[in-house]
Amino acid sequence: QSALTQPASVSGSPGQSITISCTGTSSDVGGYNYVSWYQQHPGKAPKLMIYDVSNRPSGVSNRFSGSKSGNTASLTISGLQAEDEADYYCSSYTSSSTLLVFGGGTKLTVL
Amino acid sequence: EVQLVESGGGLVQPGGSLRLSCAASGFTFSSYWMSWVRQAPGKGLEWVANIKQDGSEKYYVDSVKGRFTISRDNAKNSLYLQMNSLRAEDTAVYYCARETETLDYWGQGTLVTVSS
Repeated sequence: QSALTQPASVSGSPGQSITISCTGTSSDVGGYNYVSWYQQHPGKAPKLMIYDVSNRPSGVSNRFSGSKSGNTASLTISGLQAEDEADYYCSSYTSSSTLLVFGGGTKLTVL
Repeated sequence: EVQLVESGGGLVQPGGSLRLSCAASGFTFSSYWMSWVRQAPGKGLEWVANIKQDGSEKYYVDSVKGRFTISRDNAKNSLYLQMNSLRAEDTAVYYCARETETLDYWGQGTLVTVSS
Protein backbone atom coordinates (compact mmCIF):
# COMPACT_ATOMS: atom_id res chain seq x y z
CA GLN A 1 0.00 0.00 0.00
CA SER A 2 1.45 3.34 -1.10
CA ALA A 3 1.88 6.17 1.35
CA LEU A 4 0.06 8.64 -0.90
CA THR A 5 -3.35 7.86 -2.41
CA GLN A 6 -4.05 8.42 -6.09
CA PRO A 7 -6.95 7.22 -8.24
CA ALA A 8 -5.96 4.15 -10.22
CA SER A 9 -7.16 5.60 -13.49
CA VAL A 10 -8.58 8.69 -15.11
CA SER A 11 -9.59 9.37 -18.67
CA GLY A 12 -10.50 12.24 -20.91
CA SER A 13 -10.99 13.17 -24.52
CA PRO A 14 -8.53 15.23 -26.55
CA GLY A 15 -8.84 18.89 -25.71
CA GLN A 16 -10.48 18.28 -22.35
CA SER A 17 -8.97 18.86 -18.92
CA ILE A 18 -8.42 16.27 -16.23
CA THR A 19 -7.28 16.43 -12.63
CA ILE A 20 -5.42 13.77 -10.68
CA SER A 21 -5.52 13.93 -6.90
CA CYS A 22 -2.84 12.84 -4.46
CA THR A 23 -3.91 12.52 -0.83
CA GLY A 24 -1.50 12.21 2.06
CA THR A 25 -1.30 13.43 5.62
CA SER A 26 0.02 16.36 7.60
CA SER A 27 3.32 14.46 7.84
CA ASP A 28 3.90 14.59 4.10
CA VAL A 29 1.75 16.45 1.56
CA GLY A 30 0.17 18.74 4.13
CA GLY A 31 3.39 19.50 5.92
CA TYR A 32 5.74 20.29 3.06
CA ASN A 33 5.61 22.24 -0.17
CA TYR A 34 7.79 19.58 -1.77
CA VAL A 35 5.15 17.78 -3.81
CA SER A 36 6.27 16.59 -7.24
CA TRP A 37 4.56 14.94 -10.17
CA TYR A 38 6.17 12.53 -12.63
CA GLN A 39 5.02 11.22 -15.99
CA GLN A 40 6.03 7.73 -17.05
CA HIS A 41 5.43 6.20 -20.43
CA PRO A 42 5.60 2.39 -20.73
CA GLY A 43 9.15 1.11 -20.55
CA LYS A 44 10.57 4.56 -19.92
CA ALA A 45 12.04 6.36 -16.94
CA PRO A 46 9.87 8.81 -15.00
CA LYS A 47 10.00 12.43 -16.12
CA LEU A 48 9.57 15.35 -13.77
CA MET A 49 6.52 17.44 -14.67
CA ILE A 50 5.84 19.53 -11.55
CA TYR A 51 7.94 20.26 -8.46
CA ASP A 52 7.40 22.26 -5.28
CA VAL A 53 3.62 21.81 -5.69
CA SER A 54 3.18 24.08 -8.69
CA ASN A 55 6.47 24.76 -10.48
CA ARG A 56 7.17 23.49 -13.98
CA PRO A 57 10.67 22.54 -15.06
CA SER A 58 11.98 24.16 -18.19
CA GLY A 59 10.59 22.44 -21.26
CA VAL A 60 7.40 21.11 -19.66
CA SER A 61 4.23 22.33 -21.34
CA ASN A 62 2.15 24.95 -19.52
CA ARG A 63 -0.80 22.62 -20.02
CA PHE A 64 0.45 20.92 -16.85
CA SER A 65 -0.25 22.64 -13.55
CA GLY A 66 -0.14 21.68 -9.89
CA SER A 67 -1.81 22.82 -6.71
CA LYS A 68 -2.33 21.80 -3.11
CA SER A 69 -5.02 22.20 -0.50
CA GLY A 70 -4.45 20.77 2.94
CA ASN A 71 -3.30 17.16 2.64
CA THR A 72 -4.29 16.80 -1.01
CA ALA A 73 -2.25 17.82 -4.03
CA SER A 74 -3.57 17.90 -7.56
CA LEU A 75 -2.19 17.72 -11.08
CA THR A 76 -4.29 19.27 -13.83
CA ILE A 77 -3.65 18.65 -17.49
CA SER A 78 -5.52 20.95 -19.83
CA GLY A 79 -6.00 20.55 -23.57
CA LEU A 80 -5.41 16.80 -23.39
CA GLN A 81 -3.28 15.36 -26.16
CA ALA A 82 -2.70 11.77 -27.19
CA GLU A 83 0.92 11.94 -26.00
CA ASP A 84 -0.27 12.71 -22.46
CA GLU A 85 -1.44 9.11 -22.12
CA ALA A 86 0.88 7.70 -19.46
CA ASP A 87 1.17 6.84 -15.79
CA TYR A 88 1.45 9.75 -13.37
CA TYR A 89 2.98 9.59 -9.91
CA CYS A 90 2.97 12.13 -7.13
CA SER A 91 5.65 12.28 -4.46
CA SER A 92 6.28 14.18 -1.26
CA TYR A 93 8.99 14.47 1.31
CA THR A 94 7.87 13.21 4.69
CA SER A 95 8.78 13.56 8.33
CA SER A 96 8.85 9.78 8.72
CA SER A 97 11.95 7.60 8.47
CA THR A 98 11.07 7.08 4.80
CA LEU A 99 12.17 10.47 3.59
CA LEU A 100 10.37 10.41 0.26
CA VAL A 101 7.07 8.73 -0.52
CA PHE A 102 5.21 8.16 -3.76
CA GLY A 103 1.61 7.68 -4.70
CA GLY A 104 0.50 4.43 -6.24
CA GLY A 105 0.24 5.97 -9.68
CA THR A 106 -2.63 6.96 -11.95
CA LYS A 107 -3.07 5.65 -15.48
CA LEU A 108 -4.28 8.40 -17.77
CA THR A 109 -6.15 7.27 -20.86
CA VAL A 110 -6.83 9.72 -23.65
CA LEU A 111 -10.00 8.49 -25.32
CA GLU B 1 23.19 17.63 -20.87
CA VAL B 2 22.55 15.76 -17.65
CA GLN B 3 22.99 12.02 -18.07
CA LEU B 4 22.63 9.20 -15.58
CA VAL B 5 23.45 5.69 -16.71
CA GLU B 6 22.81 2.71 -14.43
CA SER B 7 24.49 -0.65 -14.76
CA GLY B 8 25.05 -3.82 -12.79
CA GLY B 9 21.60 -5.35 -12.80
CA GLY B 10 20.93 -8.98 -13.54
CA LEU B 11 19.63 -12.27 -12.24
CA VAL B 12 20.66 -13.26 -8.73
CA GLN B 13 19.55 -16.00 -6.38
CA PRO B 14 17.74 -15.23 -3.13
CA GLY B 15 20.29 -14.40 -0.46
CA GLY B 16 22.78 -13.22 -3.04
CA SER B 17 24.43 -9.86 -3.61
CA LEU B 18 24.63 -7.34 -6.41
CA ARG B 19 26.26 -3.94 -6.81
CA LEU B 20 24.58 -1.32 -8.96
CA SER B 21 26.43 1.62 -10.42
CA CYS B 22 25.24 4.94 -11.79
CA ALA B 23 27.57 7.02 -13.96
CA ALA B 24 26.76 10.72 -13.94
CA SER B 25 27.73 13.37 -16.45
CA GLY B 26 26.69 16.82 -17.58
CA PHE B 27 26.59 18.38 -14.11
CA THR B 28 28.76 18.85 -11.03
CA PHE B 29 28.07 15.50 -9.40
CA SER B 30 29.67 16.42 -6.08
CA SER B 31 27.16 19.26 -5.59
CA TYR B 32 24.03 17.13 -5.42
CA TRP B 33 22.29 14.64 -3.22
CA MET B 34 21.58 11.46 -5.15
CA SER B 35 18.85 8.86 -4.77
CA TRP B 36 17.97 5.32 -5.79
CA VAL B 37 14.32 4.58 -6.63
CA ARG B 38 12.94 1.19 -7.64
CA GLN B 39 9.89 -0.07 -9.48
CA ALA B 40 8.75 -3.66 -9.20
CA PRO B 41 7.26 -5.15 -12.39
CA GLY B 42 3.85 -3.62 -13.02
CA LYS B 43 4.00 -1.67 -9.76
CA GLY B 44 4.60 1.89 -8.63
CA LEU B 45 7.71 3.80 -7.65
CA GLU B 46 9.44 3.27 -4.30
CA TRP B 47 12.23 5.46 -2.96
CA VAL B 48 15.08 3.26 -1.70
CA ALA B 49 17.91 5.43 -0.43
CA ASN B 50 19.72 8.72 -0.77
CA ILE B 51 23.13 10.17 0.02
CA LYS B 52 24.44 13.63 0.72
CA GLN B 53 26.96 15.37 -1.49
CA ASP B 54 29.98 14.31 0.57
CA GLY B 55 28.57 10.93 1.61
CA SER B 56 28.29 11.96 5.25
CA GLU B 57 24.53 11.35 5.43
CA LYS B 58 22.66 8.36 4.09
CA TYR B 59 19.02 7.40 4.45
CA TYR B 60 17.13 4.22 3.58
CA VAL B 61 13.60 2.93 3.33
CA ASP B 62 12.92 0.57 6.24
CA SER B 63 12.63 -2.52 4.03
CA VAL B 64 16.28 -2.34 2.92
CA LYS B 65 17.97 -1.09 6.09
CA GLY B 66 20.83 -3.37 7.07
CA ARG B 67 20.88 -5.05 3.65
CA PHE B 68 21.56 -2.22 1.16
CA THR B 69 24.34 0.35 1.27
CA ILE B 70 24.42 3.50 -0.80
CA SER B 71 27.77 5.12 -1.57
CA ARG B 72 29.38 7.49 -4.02
CA ASP B 73 32.75 8.34 -5.53
CA ASN B 74 32.79 11.99 -6.47
CA ALA B 75 36.16 11.62 -8.21
CA LYS B 76 34.55 9.11 -10.57
CA ASN B 77 31.16 10.87 -10.76
CA SER B 78 29.57 7.63 -9.71
CA LEU B 79 26.81 6.45 -7.38
CA TYR B 80 26.54 2.91 -6.08
CA LEU B 81 24.05 0.62 -4.40
CA GLN B 82 25.42 -2.49 -2.73
CA MET B 83 22.57 -4.95 -2.26
CA ASN B 84 23.06 -7.93 0.04
CA SER B 85 20.71 -10.65 1.30
CA LEU B 86 18.49 -10.11 -1.70
CA ARG B 87 14.89 -11.27 -1.59
CA ALA B 88 12.32 -11.96 -4.27
CA GLU B 89 10.55 -8.74 -3.32
CA ASP B 90 13.65 -6.76 -4.28
CA THR B 91 13.00 -7.64 -7.92
CA ALA B 92 12.59 -4.32 -9.70
CA VAL B 93 14.00 -1.80 -12.10
CA TYR B 94 16.38 0.39 -10.12
CA TYR B 95 16.73 4.03 -11.11
CA CYS B 96 19.29 6.53 -9.93
CA ALA B 97 18.12 10.12 -9.77
CA ARG B 98 19.61 13.52 -9.08
CA GLU B 99 18.00 15.13 -6.06
CA THR B 100 17.31 18.77 -5.42
CA GLU B 101 14.00 19.56 -3.78
CA THR B 102 12.74 16.92 -6.17
CA LEU B 103 14.14 14.13 -8.33
CA ASP B 104 14.81 16.20 -11.40
CA TYR B 105 16.80 13.81 -13.60
CA TRP B 106 16.53 10.04 -13.79
CA GLY B 107 18.55 7.34 -15.46
CA GLN B 108 17.00 4.71 -17.71
CA GLY B 109 17.13 2.07 -14.99
CA THR B 110 18.67 -1.37 -14.55
CA LEU B 111 16.65 -4.52 -13.91
CA VAL B 112 17.39 -6.67 -10.89
CA THR B 113 15.72 -10.08 -10.78
CA VAL B 114 15.94 -12.15 -7.62
CA SER B 115 14.95 -15.71 -8.37
CA SER B 116 16.17 -19.26 -7.99
